Amino acid sequence: AQTVTQSQPEMSVQEAETVTLSCTYDTSESDYYLFWYKQPPSRQMILVIRQEAYKQQNATENRFSVNFQKAAKSFSLKISDSQLGDAAMYFCAYRIIQGAQKLVFGQGTRLTINP
Amino acid sequence: ETGVTQSPTHLIKTRGQQVTLRCSSQSGHNTVSWYQQALGQGPQFIFQYYREEENGRGNFPPRFSGLQFPNYSSELNVNALELDDSALYLCASSSMKDLVDTQYFGPGTRLTVL
Repeated sequence: AQTVTQSQPEMSVQEAETVTLSCTYDTSESDYYLFWYKQPPSRQMILVIRQEAYKQQNATENRFSVNFQKAAKSFSLKISDSQLGDAAMYFCAYRIIQGAQKLVFGQGTRLTINP
Repeated sequence: ETGVTQSPTHLIKTRGQQVTLRCSSQSGHNTVSWYQQALGQGPQFIFQYYREEENGRGNFPPRFSGLQFPNYSSELNVNALELDDSALYLCASSSMKDLVDTQYFGPGTRLTVL
């Protein structure tokens, strides 16, 4: 069974600093997708970034980038120049390519931005 | 482009009752997935609908059922409510035509079972 583990229940960072959120996953599949979603207090899950496992290049979206280590089954999220609006729960998620689009989520990391 | 919408926002029911939650998918999306998010947890996959048929199911009992309509909107029905059904229910839509078919989420329905 696929599992996703986020080992940091809470993280905090000073505004304008850089923070890295960790995620590991377990799968026997070779092709899959990985995602980071953000859930602010408004509850709506918002896509931050996604990575296709067959791509060696790490995905980047503005201030957000990932470090994807396929052999280690690791998928960390780096947030540069942290802003107050980045405060939220961050969830790492995994999905196989074939079949139903079932996302498997981690337990989440609560990120606090200190002004 | 209209995003995913869900109704109602909040709902309070008593144990044993039945509930229906509704979801309108994002424009151009033909697939709807439902997730249950207990307090302090990550979302858990309930099931997915594609072209009005169930296209995958998570580890939820049969009293969780769903429908998808020709306009791709969807309903989640839960019968014989239990206290543990109290959670945030999230709907996500996607398009099977997209290579990665990323799921886009609605704001959720907060269900409280007393």
